[in-house]
Amino acid sequence: GENVEQHPSTLSVQEGDSAVIKCTYSDSASNYFPWYKQELGKGPQLIIDIRSNVGEKKDQRIAVTLNKTAKHFSLHITETQPEDSAVYFCAARTTSGTYKYIFGTGTRLKVLA
Amino acid sequence: EPEVTQTPSHQVTQMGQEVILRCVPISNHLYFYWYRQILGQKVEFLVSFYNNEISEKSEIFDDQFSVERPDGSNFTLKIRSTKLEDSAMYFCASTGARAVYGYTFGSGTRLTVV
Repeated sequence: GENVEQHPSTLSVQEGDSAVIKCTYSDSASNYFPWYKQELGKGPQLIIDIRSNVGEKKDQRIAVTLNKTAKHFSLHITETQPEDSAVYFCAARTTSGTYKYIFGTGTRLKVLA
Repeated sequence: EPEVTQTPSHQVTQMGQEVILRCVPISNHLYFYWYRQILGQKVEFLVSFYNNEISEKSEIFDDQFSVERPDGSNFTLKIRSTKLEDSAMYFCASTGARAVYGYTFGSGTRLTVV
Protein backbone atom coordinates (compact mmCIF):
# COMPACT_ATOMS: atom_id res chain seq x y z
CA GLY A 1 0.00 0.00 0.00
CA GLU A 2 0.93 3.65 0.07
CA ASN A 3 3.78 4.44 2.42
CA VAL A 4 6.16 7.27 3.30
CA GLU A 5 9.43 6.56 5.10
CA GLN A 6 11.16 9.39 6.96
CA HIS A 7 14.67 9.60 8.41
CA PRO A 8 16.12 10.31 10.85
CA SER A 9 13.63 9.97 13.68
CA THR A 10 15.64 12.37 15.84
CA LEU A 11 18.19 14.98 14.86
CA SER A 12 20.27 17.25 17.07
CA VAL A 13 22.24 20.12 15.55
CA GLN A 14 24.14 23.07 16.91
CA GLU A 15 22.55 26.46 16.40
CA GLY A 16 23.68 27.85 13.07
CA ASP A 17 24.30 24.46 11.49
CA SER A 18 22.14 22.92 8.77
CA ALA A 19 19.59 20.15 9.20
CA VAL A 20 18.45 17.71 6.54
CA ILE A 21 15.46 15.39 6.78
CA LYS A 22 14.79 12.80 4.09
CA CYS A 23 11.64 11.03 2.94
CA THR A 24 10.87 8.36 0.39
CA TYR A 25 7.45 7.52 -0.96
CA SER A 26 6.04 4.42 -2.58
CA ASP A 27 3.30 5.71 -4.89
CA SER A 28 5.01 6.95 -8.04
CA ALA A 29 1.83 8.83 -8.98
CA SER A 30 2.02 11.11 -5.92
CA ASN A 31 2.22 14.69 -7.12
CA TYR A 32 2.39 16.99 -4.11
CA PHE A 33 4.71 16.89 -1.12
CA PRO A 34 4.13 19.19 1.86
CA TRP A 35 6.27 19.52 4.96
CA TYR A 36 4.68 20.26 8.31
CA LYS A 37 6.17 21.54 11.56
CA GLN A 38 4.48 20.47 14.76
CA GLU A 39 5.24 22.16 18.04
CA LEU A 40 4.28 20.61 21.34
CA GLY A 41 0.53 20.55 21.86
CA LYS A 42 -0.25 22.16 18.53
CA GLY A 43 -1.50 21.05 15.15
CA PRO A 44 0.82 20.59 12.18
CA GLN A 45 1.71 23.84 10.40
CA LEU A 46 2.58 23.83 6.70
CA ILE A 47 6.07 25.26 6.23
CA ILE A 48 6.88 24.47 2.60
CA ASP A 49 5.61 22.28 -0.20
CA ILE A 50 6.71 21.11 -3.62
CA ARG A 51 4.84 19.80 -6.63
CA SER A 52 5.99 16.97 -8.82
CA ASN A 53 6.83 19.23 -11.78
CA VAL A 54 9.46 21.08 -9.75
CA GLY A 55 12.84 19.82 -8.53
CA GLU A 56 13.60 22.37 -5.84
CA LYS A 57 11.90 25.14 -3.93
CA LYS A 58 13.34 27.59 -1.43
CA ASP A 59 11.79 29.92 1.11
CA GLN A 60 14.36 31.86 3.13
CA ARG A 61 16.19 29.33 5.33
CA ILE A 62 14.05 26.39 4.24
CA ALA A 63 14.37 24.43 1.01
CA VAL A 64 12.88 21.24 -0.33
CA THR A 65 14.26 19.05 -3.10
CA LEU A 66 12.43 16.35 -5.02
CA ASN A 67 13.84 13.46 -7.00
CA LYS A 68 10.89 11.84 -8.77
CA THR A 69 12.96 9.06 -10.31
CA ALA A 70 14.22 7.92 -6.93
CA LYS A 71 10.91 8.83 -5.25
CA HIS A 72 12.50 10.82 -2.50
CA PHE A 73 12.35 14.36 -1.23
CA SER A 74 14.26 16.23 1.43
CA LEU A 75 13.87 19.21 3.72
CA HIS A 76 16.88 21.44 4.27
CA ILE A 77 17.00 24.02 7.04
CA THR A 78 20.03 26.31 7.05
CA GLU A 79 21.31 28.53 9.87
CA THR A 80 19.16 26.70 12.38
CA GLN A 81 17.79 28.56 15.37
CA PRO A 82 16.43 27.25 18.69
CA GLU A 83 12.87 28.08 17.54
CA ASP A 84 13.29 25.55 14.73
CA SER A 85 13.13 22.82 17.38
CA ALA A 86 9.96 20.82 16.72
CA VAL A 87 8.73 17.62 15.08
CA TYR A 88 8.76 17.77 11.29
CA PHE A 89 6.53 15.58 9.13
CA CYS A 90 6.78 14.99 5.44
CA ALA A 91 3.75 13.87 3.47
CA ALA A 92 2.87 12.68 0.00
CA ARG A 93 -0.49 13.41 -1.53
CA THR A 94 -2.16 10.57 -3.33
CA THR A 95 -3.67 11.02 -6.75
CA SER A 96 -7.07 9.80 -5.64
CA GLY A 97 -9.78 12.41 -5.91
CA THR A 98 -9.78 12.88 -2.14
CA TYR A 99 -6.32 14.53 -1.99
CA LYS A 100 -5.44 12.31 0.97
CA TYR A 101 -2.00 12.67 2.53
CA ILE A 102 0.24 9.84 3.66
CA PHE A 103 2.52 11.12 6.40
CA GLY A 104 6.01 10.08 7.34
CA THR A 105 6.80 9.02 10.87
CA GLY A 106 8.22 12.38 11.89
CA THR A 107 11.63 13.78 12.84
CA ARG A 108 12.21 15.40 16.19
CA LEU A 109 14.68 18.23 15.56
CA LYS A 110 16.56 19.73 18.47
CA VAL A 111 18.61 22.83 17.88
CA LEU A 112 21.16 23.25 20.64
CA ALA A 113 22.02 26.81 21.64
CA GLU B 1 -5.14 34.42 8.41
CA PRO B 2 -8.09 32.00 8.28
CA GLU B 3 -8.01 29.18 10.81
CA VAL B 4 -9.54 25.78 11.35
CA THR B 5 -11.05 25.74 14.83
CA GLN B 6 -11.47 22.59 16.89
CA THR B 7 -13.34 22.07 20.14
CA PRO B 8 -12.86 20.90 22.77
CA SER B 9 -9.09 21.03 23.08
CA HIS B 10 -9.14 18.13 25.52
CA GLN B 11 -11.85 15.55 26.21
CA VAL B 12 -11.78 12.79 28.79
CA THR B 13 -14.40 10.10 28.47
CA GLN B 14 -15.27 6.75 29.96
CA MET B 15 -14.78 3.67 27.81
CA GLY B 16 -18.01 2.84 25.99
CA GLN B 17 -19.25 6.43 25.95
CA GLU B 18 -20.00 8.42 22.83
CA VAL B 19 -17.94 11.48 21.98
CA ILE B 20 -18.37 14.20 19.39
CA LEU B 21 -15.39 16.19 18.25
CA ARG B 22 -16.17 19.46 16.55
CA CYS B 23 -14.44 21.42 13.84
CA VAL B 24 -15.14 24.64 12.01
CA PRO B 25 -13.20 24.51 8.72
CA ILE B 26 -12.21 27.56 6.72
CA SER B 27 -15.38 28.95 5.22
CA ASN B 28 -14.67 28.66 1.49
CA HIS B 29 -12.95 25.29 1.68
CA LEU B 30 -14.53 22.28 0.03
CA TYR B 31 -12.57 19.25 1.23
CA PHE B 32 -12.60 18.22 4.87
CA TYR B 33 -10.60 15.62 6.70
CA TRP B 34 -10.09 13.95 10.04
CA TYR B 35 -6.68 12.59 10.96
CA ARG B 36 -5.52 11.14 14.24
CA GLN B 37 -2.16 10.92 15.96
CA ILE B 38 -1.55 8.42 18.72
CA LEU B 39 1.03 9.77 21.14
CA GLY B 40 4.50 9.65 19.63
CA GLN B 41 3.32 8.19 16.35
CA LYS B 42 2.67 9.56 12.91
CA VAL B 43 -0.42 11.35 11.71
CA GLU B 44 -2.89 8.85 10.22
CA PHE B 45 -5.72 9.47 7.77
CA LEU B 46 -9.20 8.64 9.02
CA VAL B 47 -11.70 10.07 6.56
CA SER B 48 -12.23 12.64 3.83
CA PHE B 49 -15.50 14.44 3.15
CA TYR B 50 -16.53 16.29 0.02
CA ASN B 51 -19.84 17.44 -1.39
CA ASN B 52 -21.63 16.38 1.79
CA GLU B 53 -20.52 12.80 1.73
CA ILE B 54 -17.59 10.61 2.69
CA SER B 55 -15.21 10.35 -0.24
CA GLU B 56 -12.68 8.01 1.32
CA LYS B 57 -12.13 6.32 4.66
CA SER B 58 -9.33 4.28 6.16
CA GLU B 59 -9.43 0.89 7.84
CA ILE B 60 -9.39 2.70 11.18
CA PHE B 61 -12.69 4.39 10.36
CA ASP B 62 -14.97 1.50 11.25
CA ASP B 63 -18.66 1.44 12.11
CA GLN B 64 -17.99 3.17 15.43
CA PHE B 65 -17.00 6.34 13.60
CA SER B 66 -19.19 8.76 11.70
CA VAL B 67 -18.85 12.28 10.32
CA GLU B 68 -21.37 14.98 9.64
CA ARG B 69 -21.53 18.49 8.33
CA PRO B 70 -24.88 19.37 9.86
CA ASP B 71 -25.15 23.09 9.13
CA GLY B 72 -22.71 24.04 6.41
CA SER B 73 -20.07 25.28 8.82
CA ASN B 74 -19.43 22.65 11.50
CA PHE B 75 -17.78 19.34 10.68
CA THR B 76 -18.05 16.71 13.39
CA LEU B 77 -16.47 13.36 14.14
CA LYS B 78 -18.51 11.01 16.33
CA ILE B 79 -17.18 7.93 18.04
CA ARG B 80 -20.15 5.88 19.23
CA SER B 81 -18.58 3.60 21.81
CA THR B 82 -15.08 4.67 22.70
CA LYS B 83 -12.29 2.19 23.35
CA LEU B 84 -9.05 2.73 25.20
CA GLU B 85 -7.17 2.59 21.90
CA ASP B 86 -9.15 5.56 20.60
CA SER B 87 -7.06 7.77 22.87
CA ALA B 88 -5.19 10.10 20.54
CA MET B 89 -4.99 13.62 19.16
CA TYR B 90 -7.64 14.14 16.50
CA PHE B 91 -6.95 16.77 13.87
CA CYS B 92 -9.43 18.30 11.49
CA ALA B 93 -8.12 19.74 8.22
CA SER B 94 -9.59 21.49 5.21
CA THR B 95 -8.50 22.64 1.81
CA GLY B 96 -9.98 24.55 -1.10
CA ALA B 97 -11.01 23.76 -4.65
CA ARG B 98 -8.74 21.20 -6.33
CA ALA B 99 -6.60 21.31 -3.19
CA VAL B 100 -4.23 23.76 -4.86
CA TYR B 101 -2.71 24.57 -1.51
CA GLY B 102 -1.84 22.31 1.38
CA TYR B 103 -4.23 21.53 4.14
CA THR B 104 -4.86 23.87 7.01
CA PHE B 105 -4.96 21.82 10.18
CA GLY B 106 -6.76 22.68 13.38
CA SER B 107 -4.92 22.61 16.68
CA GLY B 108 -6.45 19.26 17.58
CA THR B 109 -8.57 17.62 20.25
CA ARG B 110 -6.79 15.39 22.70
CA LEU B 111 -9.13 12.49 23.45
CA THR B 112 -8.39 10.42 26.52
CA VAL B 113 -10.47 7.29 27.07
CA VAL B 114 -10.30 5.92 30.60
